[in-house]
Amino acid sequence: GENVEQHPSTLSVQEGDSAVIKCTYSDSASNYFPWYKQELGKRPQLIIDIRSNVGEKKDQRIAVTLNKTAKHFSLHITETQPEDSAVYFCAASIRGGATNKLIFGTGTLLAVQP
Amino acid sequence: DAGVIQSPRHEVTEMGQEVTLRCKPISGHNSLFWYRQTMMRGLELLIYFNNNVPIDDSGMPEDRFSAKMPNASFSTLKIQPSEPRDSAVYFCASSLTLLKQYFGPGTRLTVT
Repeated sequence: GENVEQHPSTLSVQEGDSAVIKCTYSDSASNYFPWYKQELGKRPQLIIDIRSNVGEKKDQRIAVTLNKTAKHFSLHITETQPEDSAVYFCAASIRGGATNKLIFGTGTLLAVQP
Repeated sequence: DAGVIQSPRHEVTEMGQEVTLRCKPISGHNSLFWYRQTMMRGLELLIYFNNNVPIDDSGMPEDRFSAKMPNASFSTLKIQPSEPRDSAVYFCASSLTLLKQYFGPGTRLTVT
């Protein structure tokens, strides 16, 4: 079935460094790729998303890139801060019948060391 | 502006008891999703509704689980009878587009 693979499962960086999280999807019809941030004990929150007709999108220190040919997409966080520490989930839309749903990756625990 | 509302926030129950989780989506959203999150299995989609109609329930683990959406502003997820392996955080999410989903605070369920 359709799946989304996410790597790495854990990532530790020094404050101020960049962090990159990568995802691979299997359904070539996927056309929407959101990223969620989940702090400990909190809900997943949408932080950025990209559609398949766009190769890159930026929002301040966060950027997402998409390679449709390779079916890869990545989250880039620059100038990391301790408050960026959280679990990050990627997702890809999967078409099911007449509608779409999201399949989530397994998450990346990002720890930003002060 | 109110986000997705879930109740209860925490539920502790004994094995065999019925559990009902409740969700109020964001006003105006026409899609609602129920997810289960555990350390072992991650974030799993259980069922989703579009315009109050169940579209895909392939993620519902077994017949002990059922979900309803009687109107656009309310949905329930019921587990009967509950088992210890049902212990998890259950999230409800809503969307206007089926894609950009907004999550509620979750219900942490513990079945002893």
